Amino acid sequence: DIVMTQSPDSLAVSLGERATINCKSSQSVFHSSTNKNYLAWYQQKPGQPPKLLVYWASTRESGVPDRFSGSGSGTDFTLTISSLQAEDVAVYYCQQYYSTPLMHTFGQGTKLEIK
Amino acid sequence: EVHLVESGGGLVKPGGTLRLSCAASGFPFNSYTMNWVRQAPGKGLEWVSSISISSTHIYYADSLKGRFTISRDNAKNSLYLQINTVRAEDTAVYFCARAMAGYYFDSWGQGTLVTVSS
Repeated sequence: DIVMTQSPDSLAVSLGERATINCKSSQSVFHSSTNKNYLAWYQQKPGQPPKLLVYWASTRESGVPDRFSGSGSGTDFTLTISSLQAEDVAVYYCQQYYSTPLMHTFGQGTKLEIK
Repeated sequence: EVHLVESGGGLVKPGGTLRLSCAASGFPFNSYTMNWVRQAPGKGLEWVSSISISSTHIYYADSLKGRFTISRDNAKNSLYLQINTVRAEDTAVYFCARAMAGYYFDSWGQGTLVTVSS
């Protein structure tokens, strides 16, 4: 099974500053036949379901503010919030959808707070 | 607008059986792979199971194989999850989620809480 490990587990950033969350997979989630990384990022606020932010590692979902960006390839990925807003306080999860047969796995989550 | 509404959660005794439902609307249900994801209180997300458009391909998390059965009724725009011999560790909010192109989850329901306790 592919194991997803996020770092840090929690993060406190000042308003307007950059927040960076990392995600590492135990094996590559890059598919050479499609030239895509099979990785997504989600945001979950308290009492709400997760919300898709980024898919294919770097494609922003429609309606997601452009301060959110995803990067990385192979086994190492990053979600960056360029200028933290109060409404970005949440837990963030990465997810791989590469494995065959398709067995989705999530990272353990990173809790983002305001410093 | 995509709408996913889970139901069927509640308090169940250890060893009992539970059937969760997810009613879908606002999109062609029979064109999407669907999934169940659960979240224990204060914990992270755990993918449970997926089912393809015509139920041909069904997958379960390795740790959950045997007690969980996913199914769908495209005529009723509904997704189901049956949990047999429930255990305390099955206590969680269960979400249904639509998989775009069978991959990432672009729409989620609000979830239904399952509490296993005697």
